[in-house]
Amino acid sequence: AQTVTQSQPEMSVQEAETVTLSCTYDTSESNYYLFWYKQPPSRQMILVIRQEAYKQQNATENRFSVNFQKAAKSFSLKISDSQLGDTAMYFCAFMLRANSKLTFGKGITLSVRP
Amino acid sequence: GAVVSQHPSWVICKSGTSVKIECRSLDFQATTMFWYRQFPKQSLMLMATSNEGSKATYEQGVEKDKFLINHASLTLSTLTVTSAHPEDSSFYICSARDETGTGWPGELFFGEGSRLTVL
Repeated sequence: AQTVTQSQPEMSVQEAETVTLSCTYDTSESNYYLFWYKQPPSRQMILVIRQEAYKQQNATENRFSVNFQKAAKSFSLKISDSQLGDTAMYFCAFMLRANSKLTFGKGITLSVRP
Repeated sequence: GAVVSQHPSWVICKSGTSVKIECRSLDFQATTMFWYRQFPKQSLMLMATSNEGSKATYEQGVEKDKFLINHASLTLSTLTVTSAHPEDSSFYICSARDETGTGWPGELFFGEGSRLTVL
């Protein structure tokens, strides 16, 4: 079974600064998908970024980028130029195949300070 | 992107009654939908996979008779919490895939969630 670990329960960052959220996972498979989801106070889940394990290049989406280290089974999210609207809970998630279920980490609460 | 809608967004009921929560895919058809439960400040825990036209697949530890799932059409799945008790109070979220859309086929779209409070 796959597991996703987010060991930091909370983080805080000053507006406009950069913050990195950590995630590790465990799987014996070589092909899979990794995600970061954002859940703001509205509780609506929003996809931030997706990484395919077979791709060596790290995914980026505007201010959001990942550091995918396949051998180390590490998948961290970097948020650049943090904005107040980035305040949310962030979940790292694993999906084995494109038609399978998501396994979520425990999540981290990120607060952006003005 | 595709839209998934849940109803009601918040429901309060008395202990012992049953409550139904609906999950609809508004602009696409979904053969599979997923139901999650989330406690405050905690992660989403998958409860079951809802399959259109067949029985749901429940995760280990989830009571099938307690949480009834029906996926009668390609756009609607329902979760019924039977004989609800205060410990069933939680946030319930559904998600679905747009398997025939133009985007990545594995992307899951989430409903806005339903908060259940059992008195």
